[in-house]
Amino acid sequence: AQKVTQAQTEISVVEKEDVTLDCVYETRDTTYYLFWYKQPPSGELVFLIRRNSFDEQNEISGRYSWNFQKSTSSFNFTITASQVVDSAVYFCALSTYSGAGSYQLTFGKGTKLSVIP
Amino acid sequence: GAVVSQHPSRVICKSGTSVKIECRSLDFQATTMFWYRQFPKQSLMLMATSNEGSKATYEQGVEKDKFLINHASLTLSTLTVTSAHPEDSSFYICSARDNTGARHEKLFFGSGTQLSVL
Repeated sequence: AQKVTQAQTEISVVEKEDVTLDCVYETRDTTYYLFWYKQPPSGELVFLIRRNSFDEQNEISGRYSWNFQKSTSSFNFTITASQVVDSAVYFCALSTYSGAGSYQLTFGKGTKLSVIP
Repeated sequence: GAVVSQHPSRVICKSGTSVKIECRSLDFQATTMFWYRQFPKQSLMLMATSNEGSKATYEQGVEKDKFLINHASLTLSTLTVTSAHPEDSSFYICSARDNTGARHEKLFFGSGTQLSVL
């Protein structure tokens, strides 16, 4: 079975602080995809990043960076110099092949980030 | 612009009525779409996988007759909540998979529908 654990339920930081959101996943598949999504108060899910299981390169996009480590089954997300607009719920998700050409996406429970001005 | 359009964004209905939610992929064909349900301060729970031209695959515990899914075209999937009751009140989100070119295995989400059943 697939499982995604986001141990941090809520995090509060002061603006300009760096913050890391943890994500640990479980799967027996050797091929899978990992995602991070942002859900602002308005509700829509905003795609942030997708990483496939064969690409362990860390990625940086502006103030966002991701650290993928297969050895520890982790895919952590760091926001540098946080801003109030970063306040949202962040979901980590795992996509695995479920047969018959279908993939199934399993979400973590999300981490609510509050950035205090 | 939005890649997946979900409509309506908010709906309030009386108990016993049916509500239809539409999910459209705007600039790609989506053979597979997914419907999720999210309770307040909770994660997204997959309800069903919608495949164009075939019956939807429902997750365990989701009532097929309650949540009707139709995926009649490569760009449209609909979720109908039949005989809605207050316990069906929730946030429903659809997503569509783009399997073309550089966006292979990329999922796009709709903006969600907040259903409130009185």
